[in-house]
Amino acid sequence: DAGVIQSPRHEVTEMGQEVTLRCKPISGHNSLFWYRQTMMRGLELLIYFNNNVPIDDSGMPEDRFSAKMPNASFSTLKIQPSEPRDSAVYFCASSSRGAMTDTQYFGPGTRLTVL
Amino acid sequence: AQKVTQAQTEISVVEKEDVTLDCVYETRDTTYYLFWYKQPPSGELVFLIRRNSFDEQNEISGRYSWNFQKSTSSFNFTITASQVVDSAVYFCALTIKAAGNKLTFGGGTRVLVKP
Repeated sequence: DAGVIQSPRHEVTEMGQEVTLRCKPISGHNSLFWYRQTMMRGLELLIYFNNNVPIDDSGMPEDRFSAKMPNASFSTLKIQPSEPRDSAVYFCASSSRGAMTDTQYFGPGTRLTVL
Repeated sequence: AQKVTQAQTEISVVEKEDVTLDCVYETRDTTYYLFWYKQPPSGELVFLIRRNSFDEQNEISGRYSWNFQKSTSSFNFTITASQVVDSAVYFCALTIKAAGNKLTFGGGTRVLVKP
């Protein structure tokens, strides 16, 4: 079975440009998570969805970040406008029900570099 | 609020040595789950194990073993007879019932296994 799929794997952009990261969760999973990994802050949860509905976006750094999940098999994380401090690896993860007991399975990540 | 501490930032061993990674967690909840993930140099996050707060039985999987002690709030991970392929960053993480499926990660321990 396919795991979590993320695209692109690498993105280099210039400050001020719009960046869109994409994620396809594992088929049948009802929860989706976006994480950011940086050297300074480690792994931090940005937002998560249950059944396509955003449940907690308290980790989204500011209004420049937005996330959508239009259907059960696709989600986007958008940064507009991007800034150099947004450079990080962005991971998408999914789990079956979004319960505490569920294991989250991670995608390969998107390495974002904002110049 | 919950917290996970991995005090060892980096451990260097020679192949075939055993290595133990420490994980200490803090939570007021009596119901929680603990996880270990591996992040090899390629960057993806690989799930290793999940343990609930009511199951203090230690677990062994091949060269990997885990020691869960509620009395000291620790969930330590040992790699026996380490191999070069074990070189990675290892993360300990926690979920609590009140937070749903939100993972709180430790800062990670980088393990370098030298041939």
